[in-house]
Amino acid sequence: GQNIDQPTEMTATEGAIVQINCTYQTSGFNGLFWYQQHAGEAPTFLSYNVLDGLEEKGRFSSFLSRSKGYSYLLLKELQMKDSASYLCAVRDPLGGGGNKLTFGTGTQLKVEL
Amino acid sequence: ETGVTQTPRHLVMGMTNKKSLKCEQHLGHNAMYWYKQSAKKPLELMFVYSLEERVENNSVPSRFSPECPNSSHLFLHLHTLQPEDSALYLCASSQEQGPNQPQHFGDGTRLSIL
Repeated sequence: GQNIDQPTEMTATEGAIVQINCTYQTSGFNGLFWYQQHAGEAPTFLSYNVLDGLEEKGRFSSFLSRSKGYSYLLLKELQMKDSASYLCAVRDPLGGGGNKLTFGTGTQLKVEL
Repeated sequence: ETGVTQTPRHLVMGMTNKKSLKCEQHLGHNAMYWYKQSAKKPLELMFVYSLEERVENNSVPSRFSPECPNSSHLFLHLHTLQPEDSALYLCASSQEQGPNQPQHFGDGTRLSIL
């Protein structure tokens, strides 16, 4: 079966650093994605990890440990506009083509002054 | 602007109505997807089309009927829906080949069943 766990809500202060964790137990694994979704908008791609280690992209970094079934998204120098839902998703390729993404429920981040 | 356009943005319909959701992607991708997003629940994959062929039907009731006439367009035909089908329906597209090919999402259609 597929199981992806993330905290439901987090609150952080503007200018601070926040780490959003994701643990997964899936039958297949071909990469882990993080998406950001503002209310009423499309999820937008943030980062991708397929090998163990840290991927850095500006204020956002993502880490993966395949042996532990664990990833985190790190947001630095938080801004008010970072208030959004952050979705963790595991990819499993489909035999007929395309990819299947299994999503967690998302972590609603609130950035406060 | 994500390159994936969905219409309509909002739809209210009765349980006996028939309507269709439309998705168009301008990214040159060859795979398209329908997802359902309900409050407090993860995004649920409904259908996957790769090279215009359906490759995944994730146990979706037959009152939802997808159609992919070409690689740029995807439809979801709706008939005899139930109140629990009220949700945000998201379309996505991706390039099939390559390890780091994210799915790009549209803004979704907010569907309300009366």
